[in-house]
Amino acid sequence: DIQMTQSPSSLSASVGDRVTITCQASQDISNYLDWYQKKPGKAPKLLIYDASKLETGVPSKFSGSGSGTDFTFTISSLQPEDIATYYCQQYDSLPLTFGGGTKVEIK
Amino acid sequence: EVQLVQSGGGLVKPGGSLRLSCAASGFTFSDAWMNWVRQAPGKGLEWVGRIKSKTDGGTTDYAAPVKGRFSISRDDSKNTLYLQMNSLKTGDTAVFYCTTGPSSVAGTDYWGQGTLVTVSS
Repeated sequence: DIQMTQSPSSLSASVGDRVTITCQASQDISNYLDWYQKKPGKAPKLLIYDASKLETGVPSKFSGSGSGTDFTFTISSLQPEDIATYYCQQYDSLPLTFGGGTKVEIK
Repeated sequence: EVQLVQSGGGLVKPGGSLRLSCAASGFTFSDAWMNWVRQAPGKGLEWVGRIKSKTDGGTTDYAAPVKGRFSISRDDSKNTLYLQMNSLKTGDTAVFYCTTGPSSVAGTDYWGQGTLVTVSS
């Protein structure tokens, strides 16, 4: 199974700050990586697919980069509505696996 | 408008069974590969299993913790996905989601609203 190591597990930042989350795969997954936003009581929302492509309707303040084993997710200017837990997911091979999540809070 | 409407959750005793349903509308369900994902209380997201479209063979794959106990099926005439869960354990307590993702095609990642399954005596 491919292990997805996501860091940090939590972070606290100020409104307007740039926030960066990393995800490392235990083996090469090319660009088969998604980033999801998860809020309590809501279904996950896809933000980035194929490592760097912005999902339809998602604000451009969200971005992703990377390929192979190392990936980065960025929120360019943190806003209160961005408070959530963010997950990476690889879909290069089964079983599909998620990172452990990053809980983002406002300082 | 695409909708995935889930039903069938609830409280069940350890060793019991439950079937979840996921009714799809607004897209060609028969062409879709469908997945189930769950989230245990206070934990992260976990993939449960997948079923391919019948055109692509209709085969299923499962995560190790549920293999042999859970079964995914689909009824394309009813645009409905199912998750049959047998021999349930307390560790299966989670919110279960059906989803069309992952996908490399923009605008095709949809999720059900989630349904809570509680396994407790």
